[in-house]
Amino acid sequence: AQTVTQSQPEMSVQEAETVTLSCTYDTSESDYYLFWYKQPPSRQMILVIRQEAYKQQNATENRFSVNFQKAAKSFSLKISDSQLGDAAMYFCAYISGGGADGLTFGKGTHLIIQP
Amino acid sequence: KAGVTQTPRYLIKTRGQQVTLSCSPISGHRSVSWYQQTPGQGLQFLFEYFSETQRNKGNFPGRFSGRQFSNSRSEMNVSTLELGDSALYLCASSFSGEGEQYFGPGTRLTVT
Repeated sequence: AQTVTQSQPEMSVQEAETVTLSCTYDTSESDYYLFWYKQPPSRQMILVIRQEAYKQQNATENRFSVNFQKAAKSFSLKISDSQLGDAAMYFCAYISGGGADGLTFGKGTHLIIQP
Repeated sequence: KAGVTQTPRYLIKTRGQQVTLSCSPISGHRSVSWYQQTPGQGLQFLFEYFSETQRNKGNFPGRFSGRQFSNSRSEMNVSTLELGDSALYLCASSFSGEGEQYFGPGTRLTVT
């Protein structure tokens, strides 16, 4: 079974600074996708960024970028120029290429933005 | 394009009752997945429906069931509710079940 581990229960960063959230995963599959989702206090789960395993290039979405290390099974999220609206729970998630077993989530990292 | 919608947003039920939750996916999406979120267990996959068929299932008891209609709308049913079923139930849709999923706002179920 696939597992996703987020080792940082909580992170704090000053507004406008950069923060990196860590995620490792374990799978024997070669075809899969990785995601970061954001869940603010409203509990609405919002897709932040996606990465296909077959792509070597790291995904980027505006201030959000990932460092995908396939051999190390590591998938970290970097948030640049942190804003107050970035405060939320961040979940790392995995899904196999065929979609079996749905999304597997990590336990989440609570990101606090200090003004 | 409208997002994923879930109804109702909040529910309070008594132990032993049953409950039905509804989810309407993004237009054009044929896959609907359901997840349970609790403080203790985190986010757990319940099941996925695609073209009216349950295609994948998580490790939940048979009290949890679902179905999908021809318009891709999905319902989830929980029978004989237990206190431990209190959770946020999230529905997510995707075009094919592979790749990214888009979530609804969730239904908060409280069992007393």
